[in-house]
Amino acid sequence: DAGVIQSPRHEVTEMGQEVTLRCKPISGHNSLFWYRQTMMRGLELLIYFNNNVPIDDSGMPEDRFSAKMPNASFSTLKIQPSEPRDSAVYFCASSTGVAGELFFGEGSRLTVL
Amino acid sequence: QKEVEQNSGPLSVPEGAIASLNCTYSDRGSQSFFWYRQYSGKSPELIMFIYSNGDKEDGRFTAQLNKASQYVSLLIRDSQPSDSATYLCAVIPTSGTYKYIFGTGTRLKVLA
Repeated sequence: DAGVIQSPRHEVTEMGQEVTLRCKPISGHNSLFWYRQTMMRGLELLIYFNNNVPIDDSGMPEDRFSAKMPNASFSTLKIQPSEPRDSAVYFCASSTGVAGELFFGEGSRLTVL
Repeated sequence: QKEVEQNSGPLSVPEGAIASLNCTYSDRGSQSFFWYRQYSGKSPELIMFIYSNGDKEDGRFTAQLNKASQYVSLLIRDSQPSDSATYLCAVIPTSGTYKYIFGTGTRLKVLA
């Protein structure tokens, strides 16, 4: 299996621009998670989906962030408008949804100037 | 109080020694506990999981869980320089959900 696939790997943008991060989970996994990692705050859970339905989005920082999962093989995390404090590595992870192993993608490193 | 707490380190140990990494959690109802390793610039990868009180061994790694004291630890025996990484503790805080909460990680340096 190819594992969790994220794109882009690196994104540099200017403040105020829209950013879209993409994720393809492992086939057969029914839970998908978006995390943000910074040195100061570590790995923070933003939102997670089960069977394409958002279960908990309490970690989404504010209305500028939104996430969708239109089908079992694709999810997006959108930031509009982006701000310098959004600079971080964003990880997508998937699992079978039964408290098993989380499989992480390679991450998308976002820099907002 | 943070849901999952770890000492950020760095924890430095000589090659061949035992490295002891600790994690405490706030939700007494937590059921599942995980240790992930993250090399610099890479994504986290699972080392071990533990669900029941006591010890669980896998090769050079031993996970220890004490639900009464709300802590989980990871012991690495015969530490190698290749073990140098950040170790993340993760907890699923409430039974019936699969919301993995991570600590900020402990950086381990194994000195050759």
